[in-house]
Amino acid sequence: AQSVTQPDIHITVSEGASLELRCNYSYGATPYLFWYVQSPGQGLQLLLKYFSGDTLVQGIKGFEAEFKRSQSSFNLRKPSVHWSDAAEYFCAVFKAAGNKLTFGGGTRVLVKP
Amino acid sequence: ETGVTQTPRHLVMGMTNKKSLKCEQHLGHNAMYWYKQSAKKPLELMFVYNFKEQTENNSVPSRFSPECPNSSHLFLHLHTLQPEDSALYLCASSQAPSGGAREDTQYFGPGTRLTVL
Repeated sequence: AQSVTQPDIHITVSEGASLELRCNYSYGATPYLFWYVQSPGQGLQLLLKYFSGDTLVQGIKGFEAEFKRSQSSFNLRKPSVHWSDAAEYFCAVFKAAGNKLTFGGGTRVLVKP
Repeated sequence: ETGVTQTPRHLVMGMTNKKSLKCEQHLGHNAMYWYKQSAKKPLELMFVYNFKEQTENNSVPSRFSPECPNSSHLFLHLHTLQPEDSALYLCASSQAPSGGAREDTQYFGPGTRLTVL
């Protein structure tokens, strides 16, 4: 069965600093990977996705993620964080059979002024 | 309206009440989903509908009853809930893969915050 691990429950970063969120997955076949962001009281917004091709994926809001098969990782990065990036971030892997998305536990990002 | 909408946004109900959550997608998708998001727990898939047919019931208690009358609307009927059912209920939709394609992207609504007293 597929699984997703986000090792960091909370991360605090200063505004303007870089951010990296870790995601490790376990999946037998070629993974389809996603990052979503959830602001307080809101639903999930898609940041970016990886299906195939270039392993460095660009998303919205200045985010990017890199797929590394050898490390079973799909880490999310942003070079310079804005206060509005404070939110919870979820990594997910998609299983075609059953249209199933399996989510990690999420990483809550706090941004210091 | 665009994207995926959910009503109501907030709901407080007693354990003996019957209520329904509504989800509507305006994306022309053919698959819809219910998820439960509880504090300190990962997002849990509850139900999946493909072309109005339920294809997944992730061991959800019978006090939750989904209904999908067409590919744009999804309901979650609630009755005799327990306080531990208090959570954020998220609806999502996607264009389910066909013809050998495997890619699928789910788009989420804002959720209904449910409190059971």
